[in-house]
Amino acid sequence: NAGVTQTPKFQVLKTGQSMTLQCAQDMNHNSMYWYRQDPGMGLRLIYYSASEGTTDKGEVPNGYNVSRLNKREFSLRLESAAPSQTSVYFCASSGGSPSLAKQFFGPGTRLTVL
Amino acid sequence: GQQVMQIPQYQHVQEGEDFTTYCNSSTTLSNIQWYKQRPGGHPVFLIQLVKSGEVKKQKRLTFQFGEAKKNSSLHITATQTTDVGTYFCLRDGGSQGNLIFGKGTKLSVKP
Repeated sequence: NAGVTQTPKFQVLKTGQSMTLQCAQDMNHNSMYWYRQDPGMGLRLIYYSASEGTTDKGEVPNGYNVSRLNKREFSLRLESAAPSQTSVYFCASSGGSPSLAKQFFGPGTRLTVL
Repeated sequence: GQQVMQIPQYQHVQEGEDFTTYCNSSTTLSNIQWYKQRPGGHPVFLIQLVKSGEVKKQKRLTFQFGEAKKNSSLHITATQTTDVGTYFCLRDGGSQGNLIFGKGTKLSVKP
């Protein structure tokens, strides 16, 4: 089992460009999450999906959109990238309720917006 | 907001010394989780605490959940260089999706 996979691993964008970060899990988990990690800020929840077909905002959703394509895949889209979105993005999944289940993280995508 | 304060932000220790990181909340927690992130890596789940006053051990790591369920600690006995990384707590704010990570304690260990 690969666990949680993310693509791409690295990306450089210019301000105003768009891109989609891909995430997939093979653990048959119901819940999936997108976080961003900035130095000294810990991990902050952008969006989550408690089950296929549902998505909800987390702590820092502005500037992002998500799609829960199916049970395995959860994508994060930046429609018009800004330098403030330079960060490391982690996708995670969990098997139970978001409030109780341990999370499995992907390796991360390091995004730089110039 | 339902934040969680994690202290200290950094800790530098000599190999063999002990290490403790704390997470404190102003509101009661339903449960708390701890994660470790190695440099350049991704967070990895360590433990979940649910009960008031709970204490769990994993080899040299001891996790505690306060009696009032407002604070938690992670203690490492006799640190090793393999303990290097950042330790995060994760709280559940009680409503779906309100998952809040502490800002982490970065541990460095001098051999």
